[in-house]
Amino acid sequence: KAGVTQTPRYLIKTRGQQVTLSCSPISGHRSVSWYQQTPGQGLQFLFEYFSETQRNKGNFPGRFSGRQFSNSRSEMNVSTLELGDSALYLCASSRGSRGFADTQYFGPGTRLTVL
Amino acid sequence: KNEVEQSPQNLTAQEGEFITINCSYSVGISALHWLQQHPGGGIVSLFMLSSGKKKHGRLIATINIQEKHSSLHITASHPRDSAVYICAVSPRGGTDKLIFGTGTRLQVFP
Repeated sequence: KAGVTQTPRYLIKTRGQQVTLSCSPISGHRSVSWYQQTPGQGLQFLFEYFSETQRNKGNFPGRFSGRQFSNSRSEMNVSTLELGDSALYLCASSRGSRGFADTQYFGPGTRLTVL
Repeated sequence: KNEVEQSPQNLTAQEGEFITINCSYSVGISALHWLQQHPGGGIVSLFMLSSGKKKHGRLIATINIQEKHSSLHITASHPRDSAVYICAVSPRGGTDKLIFGTGTRLQVFP
């Protein structure tokens, strides 16, 4: 089975722009979750989608949003980019029936740099 | 105080040594995950535990739910084990999510 894929792998944007990141889960997985990793804050949970519905959300401003399509692929969007949004953005997929008590399979990440 | 604490933050070992990384948490959990992150960013799930002990090759993970503590052991360490090891918990009740520890950076020298 193919693993979790994320596109693009690297992205450079300027302040005020918006960005869309994509995550394709492992075939058959219905849950996709998103994380932000920075040197200062470490790994933080953004949100989780299951069967096209946002099931859980972390403590991030409304500039961070996402969606999931019927084929379980997910996108996350960050609007009005700030310098502090520079980070590695990771997604993970799982079967989803047991929430985060299922094994999580992570993608390689998208490294976003905001100038 | 962080809800998930790991120790040590950094660990240096000689090839062949037995290694222990500790994780303590302060919330009730439905599961605990041990993750491995190599330079470049990719994360691999090593174990998911809700009780007891699991073993995979040279890796062993244990959890004590009453004491809110988990350990990851690496037997016969090897330079390819050099990575950051991250503990994450899924809290019971409230928002279902993962809360991460700050990670333990392990370097194994030949």
